[in-house]
Amino acid sequence: GAVVSQHPSWVICKSGTSVKIECRSLDFQATTMFWYRQFPKQSLMLMATSNEGSKATYEQGVEKDKFLINHASLTLSTLTVTSAHPEDSSFYICSARETVLAGDTQYFGPGTRLTVL
Amino acid sequence: EDQVTQSPEALRLQEGESSSLNCSYTVSGLRGLFWYRQDPGKGPEFLFTLYSAGEEKEKERLKATLTKKESFLHITAPKPEDSATYLCAVQSSGSARQLTFGSGTQLTVLP
Repeated sequence: GAVVSQHPSWVICKSGTSVKIECRSLDFQATTMFWYRQFPKQSLMLMATSNEGSKATYEQGVEKDKFLINHASLTLSTLTVTSAHPEDSSFYICSARETVLAGDTQYFGPGTRLTVL
Repeated sequence: EDQVTQSPEALRLQEGESSSLNCSYTVSGLRGLFWYRQDPGKGPEFLFTLYSAGEEKEKERLKATLTKKESFLHITAPKPEDSATYLCAVQSSGSARQLTFGSGTQLTVLP
């Protein structure tokens, strides 16, 4: 149980284009999902908290107009990187908070490697 | 502000050589302390949650313990497949259920 998927697992795009990443909780409902960014040899950096049916909460320094988050259902959150530039290249990871059986544990997706040329 | 410090940054062990990883934390009211394992190019895999000082949890060769200031992840007789980065994270009672992560310990177990 408690499986989270991400799609795509990797994407290469040209500078200026937009990229959408999907995060799904496969076997549980998640009112809250989180989006992280991870640079090589570094730990996870929280970008935003995504709440079903309401606006996302962004961490300080994260541009909400650049990283659009939509949490339209209890099993799906999307992150859209708009007008991507090479500095947006990174490993993006989502997590979903399971509150019924696992005591508020976050389960993570496999990550999406974004490369902007 | 919640803070998590993990040590050592990197650890190399021979197969069968037991050791411990440390996670020191400061938090305004601990709601939970979490241990994850992360393999290169993958998302973190959940291992344990600890809620109160004195609590211990075990899974195969791993045992996690918690005090009021730190947590230890003990690895008994490790195998090469235990090689990974181990991440510690805390969740404070005052936060929106967010996790604050440490920088991780990169464990390499040599055959």
